[in-house]
Amino acid sequence: ETGVTQSPTHLIKTRGQQVTLRCSSQSGHNTVSWYQQALGQGPQFIFQYYREEENGRGNFPPRFSGLQFPNYSSELNVNALELDDSALYLCASETITGELFFGEGSRLTVL
Amino acid sequence: GESVGLHLPTLSVQEGDNSIINCAYSNSASDYFIWYKQESGKGPQFIIDIRSNMDKRQGQRVTVLLNKTVKHLSLQIAATQPGDSAVYFCAGVNTGGFKTIFGAGTRLFVKA
Repeated sequence: ETGVTQSPTHLIKTRGQQVTLRCSSQSGHNTVSWYQQALGQGPQFIFQYYREEENGRGNFPPRFSGLQFPNYSSELNVNALELDDSALYLCASETITGELFFGEGSRLTVL
Repeated sequence: GESVGLHLPTLSVQEGDNSIINCAYSNSASDYFIWYKQESGKGPQFIIDIRSNMDKRQGQRVTVLLNKTVKHLSLQIAATQPGDSAVYFCAGVNTGGFKTIFGAGTRLFVKA
């Protein structure tokens, strides 16, 4: 067990809708990263939060946004959903050496 | 550009045999390389890491080899077991930017 919990585990949305995914960690790590994993692909880095500030971003448009809270829990928000946003979204707490402790992910289907 | 890739998308081995999963990378800025294992329906799980100034590291039943000259690393699993069946990802970590780049993964099948 990694101590990282994500919710919801599965959800279905339609194009144009907005979605919020949540992540909580018991590790006490103050860095959290979000990844998008399309079917049959490796995880792609979306962004990282450190002490409630965005600390790095991958090649994702601004409609992907996030928040980190004082208790280090985190949210990923995606606006104006597109079909290609269908994927497994992974949250990971991160150690100072870059080791990632992943949750089991939220599987998003956009119809 | 940055990339971390795998030589083979699938690997099938007999239970008890050794498995070797290979990975090539292009970004020399990575400070660490990490191997992750992802079982069906779960998030990736850390297996073993290696610093860029090392060429070999051993764990329990696993060994990672790093060849910086040809930008290649491998994961060796000794006495492969059915529970080793999963997708294995290599990942390069740039600790300066805390950015981890994953390869596409290799699916390991273990035949009983």
